Amino acid sequence: ELKVEQNPLFLSMQEGKNYTIYCNYSTTSDRLYWYRQDPGKSLESLFVLLSNGAVKQEGRLMASLDTKARLSTLHITAAVHDLSATYFCAVDIDSGYALNFGKGTSLLVTP
Amino acid sequence: NAGVTQTPKFQVLKTGQSMTLQCAQDMNHNSMYWYRQDPGMGLRLIYYSASEGTTDKGEVPNGYNVSRLNKREFSLRLESAAPSQTSVYFCASSRRGGLYEQYFGPGTRLTVT
Repeated sequence: ELKVEQNPLFLSMQEGKNYTIYCNYSTTSDRLYWYRQDPGKSLESLFVLLSNGAVKQEGRLMASLDTKARLSTLHITAAVHDLSATYFCAVDIDSGYALNFGKGTSLLVTP
Repeated sequence: NAGVTQTPKFQVLKTGQSMTLQCAQDMNHNSMYWYRQDPGMGLRLIYYSASEGTTDKGEVPNGYNVSRLNKREFSLRLESAAPSQTSVYFCASSRRGGLYEQYFGPGTRLTVT
């Protein structure tokens, strides 16, 4: 059974600070996804990571994938309030048949 | 393009009532999915349809049925609602091949009393 674990589950950080969210998974997979969810809203795709060593960046967010360690990270640089949301990682274990989600990291960026 | 649409947005049911959640996508995707989201649980897959005419159980299928009506539409039915089915339900779709990236609908917030 595939397990996807995110940590931390809750994160309060000050504006301007840097932090990293971790996503570990238990079974070999070549695809990892990061989604963002604002309160009461749907999920928005942030990054799709397809291979070992993949790195994607968008604004203050950077995601990376180490398939050998079964680890992905989402790094936040110089956080701003607009980044406050819940971030989910998800792993695809069977070529698009299903996504297994982590429990999400609820991020609050405070002044 | 509207992307993935879901109806209704909100619903309150009494225990034992039935209802169908509707989902449609206009992106010509082959695969469609139903998830439920509960606080602190992430998203869990209920059913999915890899292509028109096929459906498969996910992690939490008990108490639900699905119909892949055509390539665009994938419905989720609760035959006899229970309070444990109180949740937010998301439909998603994806293309076969390539990134397999899933696109999500706006969700249906269901309360069973």
